[in-house]
Amino acid sequence: DAKTTQPTSMDCAEGRAANLPCNHSTISGNEYVYWYRQIHSQGPQYIIHGLKNNETNEMASLIITEDRKSSTLILPHATLRDTAVYYCIVRAFTGTASKLTFGTGTRLQVTL
Amino acid sequence: DAGVIQSPRHEVTEMGQEVTLRCKPISGHNSLFWYRQTMMRGLELLIYFNNNVPIDDSGMPEDRFSAKMPNASFSTLKIQPSEPRDSAVYFCASSSDQNEKLFFGSGTQLSVL
Repeated sequence: DAKTTQPTSMDCAEGRAANLPCNHSTISGNEYVYWYRQIHSQGPQYIIHGLKNNETNEMASLIITEDRKSSTLILPHATLRDTAVYYCIVRAFTGTASKLTFGTGTRLQVTL
Repeated sequence: DAGVIQSPRHEVTEMGQEVTLRCKPISGHNSLFWYRQTMMRGLELLIYFNNNVPIDDSGMPEDRFSAKMPNASFSTLKIQPSEPRDSAVYFCASSSDQNEKLFFGSGTQLSVL
């Protein structure tokens, strides 16, 4: 799986949009971009994933650049409960389960 | 659905003792993953199963660790004998082929004294 690079930490004011970047310059054509987050003392939680089109769900939006070498996870109105470590993972989808390798992620701190 | 269920939630044991961690995946999911998390090494994949068959156990640290999945609704991770360096949070996750989202349990906090 392609390697990803994320900032170690970020801060965001409550109510503002949180934009979390991820670089994946060696991504292959069949690899998806996945985002998970881990709130303190809990298991990781799936947020969103995409291949090349931008995606949106009830939790977040995912913007993937045209060359697919980077992406941004957007939390439109961050709350204190969004404080967590956010992991960007690139992984091929083969139709059967394959391993998901976590990096060090970005620690997002949402403040009042 | 109750989600992925792990037990026990916390385990404290002494070095040399056998430890068994348990996991019940989400009903209908056919893949199961065991992860370990420490401050130093982050989240590491230990082993994963597909249709109850171990597919990749390259992350299992050594022979003291073993994992089984006797049926689609139950898996165990055993450490025998346990050592202090095994202290970590162990997570179980499950997924289905049709939807590769992984759903994680709440984890087992293991402390080996």
